[in-house]
Amino acid sequence: EDKVVQSPLSLVVHEGDTVTLNCSYEVTNFRSLLWYKQEKKAPTFLFMLTSSGIEKKSGRLSSILDKKELSSILNITATQTGDSAIYLCAVPDSGTYKYIFGTGTRLKVLA
Amino acid sequence: SAVISQKPSRDICQRGTSLTIQCQVDSQVTMMFWYRQQPGQSLTLIATANQGSEATYESGFVIDKFPISRPNLTFSTLTVSNMSPEDSSIYLCSAGTGTGGEQYFGPGTRLTVT
Repeated sequence: EDKVVQSPLSLVVHEGDTVTLNCSYEVTNFRSLLWYKQEKKAPTFLFMLTSSGIEKKSGRLSSILDKKELSSILNITATQTGDSAIYLCAVPDSGTYKYIFGTGTRLKVLA
Repeated sequence: SAVISQKPSRDICQRGTSLTIQCQVDSQVTMMFWYRQQPGQSLTLIATANQGSEATYESGFVIDKFPISRPNLTFSTLTVSNMSPEDSSIYLCSAGTGTGGEQYFGPGTRLTVT
């Protein structure tokens, strides 16, 4: 059965710290891995990683895909209180077009 | 990217009543999905909304409780029927290409059932 696991479940840091969030997956047919930020209700799309695009960067956020380790990391440098959110990763199911979500990492950045 | 609108953004409903949530995408998309997120939980897929045919429901969700329509490639509705307090959740619609590509979410509907 396809599966996505995120770690840690929660994290508390201080402004200016750098954090690394992990996402590991088990899918028979890997196509992509997506990262989202969820602050209130709706997840906001951050990155999509594929076999042909294993690194993405936007400002202080960056993400890398490790196909050998079946995992991805999301790095946030110089964290700010506005980075406080739940970070979700998802992969498409092998046999269908639906997405499997991890349980998320709840990040809290203290001023 | 796709821009998705959803309404209502929130509602408080009496038990036993029904609520229909609308989802509108600004461009034609292949796939539309409906999710539920209960407090403190991750996203749970309710169903895939299929254009012109019956939705595909996940285990634990049935059409009588969550009827879904998708009359065209840009619009879908989810009805939460005969509501109970256990249906209090955030309901989210999403849209994507269906090829393992990007998936975008609507702003969500926060439903409280009293």
